[in-house]
Amino acid sequence: QKEVEQNSGPLSVPEGAIASLNCTYSDRGSQSFFWYRQYSGKSPELIMSIYSNGDKEDGRFTAQLNKASQYVSLLIRDSQPSDSATYLCAARQTGANNLFFGTGTRLTVIP
Amino acid sequence: DTGVSQDPRHKITKRGQNVTFRCDPISEHNRLYWYRQTLGQGPEFLTYFQNEAQLEKSRLLSDRFSAERPKGSFSTLEIQRTEQGDSAMYLCASSLTDSPLHFGNGTRLTVT
Repeated sequence: QKEVEQNSGPLSVPEGAIASLNCTYSDRGSQSFFWYRQYSGKSPELIMSIYSNGDKEDGRFTAQLNKASQYVSLLIRDSQPSDSATYLCAARQTGANNLFFGTGTRLTVIP
Repeated sequence: DTGVSQDPRHKITKRGQNVTFRCDPISEHNRLYWYRQTLGQGPEFLTYFQNEAQLEKSRLLSDRFSAERPKGSFSTLEIQRTEQGDSAMYLCASSLTDSPLHFGNGTRLTVT
């Protein structure tokens, strides 16, 4: 079982809609969670970090964490074509130094 | 530019040759990471430094791979006797203790 799992997609949403990206993790000791956006041929770019249960909002992005269900999600409101990218979920276990990444979900926003 | 810098951006080499990549982290960051990413996959952890000390290496890391961070600033990743399976994007990232990782633009290696 992989440490972090994501649906690889592709996920297509129309412009202006809400895109919902999901991630599960296997290690209950994971404490820190991150969403990165990666455009084709580019390096990952940090979008959000979340450390405690509940929602965290930043502009059009909302990260949600449910440690009991070992589930992390990212909502993108008012999706724009420029949001089209691969979204990587990452987790850091307690006391660990590296991040474990999922395989990423490819999102396409259709104009 | 105060971001993570990697050099070169692209490297094409023949199988069996040695290659070396360089990473300059964000200056105040004490942690430096190397990851490898292949098409359709997420970044895979290779190794990690805190200051000049290499504290962790992936069990998957072949002994053909070696990394250094001699003065706790820039780092180099060397691959000896390259194989076609080494073709990938090599990503460097840096951070402060327990803060998010910030990635460089990567070095794309092609082994022919």
